[in-house]
Amino acid sequence: KQEVTQIPAALSVPEGENLVLNCSFTDSAIYNLQWFRQDPGKGLTSLLLIQSSQREQTSGRLNASLDKSSGRSTLYIAASQPGDSATYLCAVSFRGGYNKLIFGAGTRLAVHP
Amino acid sequence: ETGVTQTPRHLVMGMTNKKSLKCEQHLGHNAMYWYKQSAKKPLELMFVYSLEERVENNSVPSRFSPECPNSSHLFLHLHTLQPEDSALYLCASSQSRQNEAFFGQGTRLTVV
Repeated sequence: KQEVTQIPAALSVPEGENLVLNCSFTDSAIYNLQWFRQDPGKGLTSLLLIQSSQREQTSGRLNASLDKSSGRSTLYIAASQPGDSATYLCAVSFRGGYNKLIFGAGTRLAVHP
Repeated sequence: ETGVTQTPRHLVMGMTNKKSLKCEQHLGHNAMYWYKQSAKKPLELMFVYSLEERVENNSVPSRFSPECPNSSHLFLHLHTLQPEDSALYLCASSQSRQNEAFFGQGTRLTVV
């Protein structure tokens, strides 16, 4: 069964810390992996997309890595700010289906001043 | 603004009502999706449409009926829902299976 797991489920840190959010998936045959941000009661904002042939992607203070062989991705957030507080979701598009994203349960991040 | 617009943003309906959720994408994508997000559960895929043809129905009850009249519009028709159907319903679009998916802001549905 194709599954996506995110660790930790929740994280509370002081402002300024560098963070690592983890995502693991059960099948290495993927098209891509996407990281999203979700604010309470809102939709999803795409942060980074990593194609299966890529090892990492960067956008501003965010860096996402992909290790297909071990079924892992990490999202690194540098110099965290209170505005980064949200739920971060990892989603994997597995081969064999039509771009069906399988989501993890998310990591709820709180950055306090 | 993500380029994917959902209406209404909030909906309260009785179990005997019929209502529809609407999704419109302005990104020129050829695939659209309905996802359901219930409390304390990961997002679940409901339906996939590619080039206006339904390519996947993820074992969704028949009280949910999707419609895709063209590549820019997607509807979810609702009838005789149950309170456990209360959730955030999210629409998404993408260009082929290898490209980035973009989501709308969702419709918060409450069934009373």
